[in-house]
Amino acid sequence: QVQLVQSGAEVKKPGASVKVSCKASGYTFTSNYIYWVRQAPGQGLEWMGIINPSGDSTNYAQKFQGRVTMTRDTSTSTVYMELSSLRSEDTAVYYCAREGAGDIGYAFDIWGQGTMVTVSS
Amino acid sequence: QSALTQPASVSGSLGQSITISCTGTSSDVGGYNYVSWYQQHPGKAPKLMIYDVSNRPSGVSNRFSGSKSGNTASLTISGLQAEDEADYYCSSYTSSSTYVFGTGTKVTVL
Repeated sequence: QVQLVQSGAEVKKPGASVKVSCKASGYTFTSNYIYWVRQAPGQGLEWMGIINPSGDSTNYAQKFQGRVTMTRDTSTSTVYMELSSLRSEDTAVYYCAREGAGDIGYAFDIWGQGTMVTVSS
Repeated sequence: QSALTQPASVSGSLGQSITISCTGTSSDVGGYNYVSWYQQHPGKAPKLMIYDVSNRPSGVSNRFSGSKSGNTASLTISGLQAEDEADYYCSSYTSSSTYVFGTGTKVTVL
């Protein structure tokens, strides 16, 4: 079935970087954009950015410009989100989500299970 | 980009109907028919419930419906059931070619 499987939980120190992976299966990897969304503990969802697995183009939320990098590896159907200069406020669950297939263009129809990133000294 | 505004909580009795609002601006909700709604149970990933303002993905109950008027979108849950108790988030495409989520609404079934 269509699914996105993310890498495991991470614990990082302030100032470090983290790289989270999201492996797609069950559909043509290059057919749908992938988004990244995060959720701090007890807080709401926050959109971080988008990557086009077909052409590698990206668009990041202004808040994360200069700190986030999204890449993809078509040979393994995997996208990556790297966040640098981590601070405690970056402690959150990070989700990847797929752009909707077919008519569901401007929504996120498949989500990964989430990756908890904890930033602590 | 500021988050879309949703009520913090909404409650209703079993079988009743409730409506959750989602207010944005002409640069997001009011400018595009690309509002979607997500249901999130504790510890779980969000689930798409409504896309393009009022369309339901395959498998989503027809008790969920969406609409929009001006800069405000709404999600209505009719025939409220215990399993509907969850957090709900709206999302909209924006004029910057990005997306913005709502502040989230906790739905309690009494």
